[in-house]
Amino acid sequence: QKEVEQNSGPLSVPEGAIASLNCTYSDRGSQSFFWYRQYSGKSPELIMFIYSNGDKEDGRFTAQLNKASQYVSLLIRDSQPSDSATYLCASPTGGSYIPTFGRGTSLIVHP
Amino acid sequence: GAGVSQSPSNKVTEKGKDVELRCDPISGHTALYWYRQSLGQGLEFLIYFQGNSAPDKSGLPSDRFSAERTGGSVSTLTIQRTQQEDSAVYLCASSLGSGEQFFGPGTRLTVL
Repeated sequence: QKEVEQNSGPLSVPEGAIASLNCTYSDRGSQSFFWYRQYSGKSPELIMFIYSNGDKEDGRFTAQLNKASQYVSLLIRDSQPSDSATYLCASPTGGSYIPTFGRGTSLIVHP
Repeated sequence: GAGVSQSPSNKVTEKGKDVELRCDPISGHTALYWYRQSLGQGLEFLIYFQGNSAPDKSGLPSDRFSAERTGGSVSTLTIQRTQQEDSAVYLCASSLGSGEQFFGPGTRLTVL
């Protein structure tokens, strides 16, 4: 069973701080990784994707991928209360097109 | 352009009844996925379509669940003889190949 694992949290950070969300995966063949944000009662929305080792920045968000260590992380700089949500990590595993989703990490940004 | 749409947004049914949930993907997206999410839980994969064919039905929880996709576009998820444990939010997503998925707003199913 190819897995994508996340700490369920909640991760609580003060407004303005950097939130660091981590995800590990078991399939060494995984090539692409996606981060989704899901507000309570809403459906997931894509915020970042990364295919190559290293960092990818988009505004306040940075995705980091380390294939040797099999982890991918999402950093949120200058966290805002509006960033409070569940963050889902996903990757197609086992040679499949179908992404395997982690269970998500709940982030709480308090004023 | 229009995103993924799903209907109905809410469905309340009695145990034992059949329900049909509809998904209209983004135009041109060849891949379509159905997921189920129970309250406070992660996404449970149900079925994947590539075009009109379903190469992976491994996530369907029982033979009461079936899905079809016609014209490479609209998909219908049918649950027969609904049970209370079928209560959940049913999410549909579409993508171009194995790229990022775009989710619809979901259908909240409540089985009384």
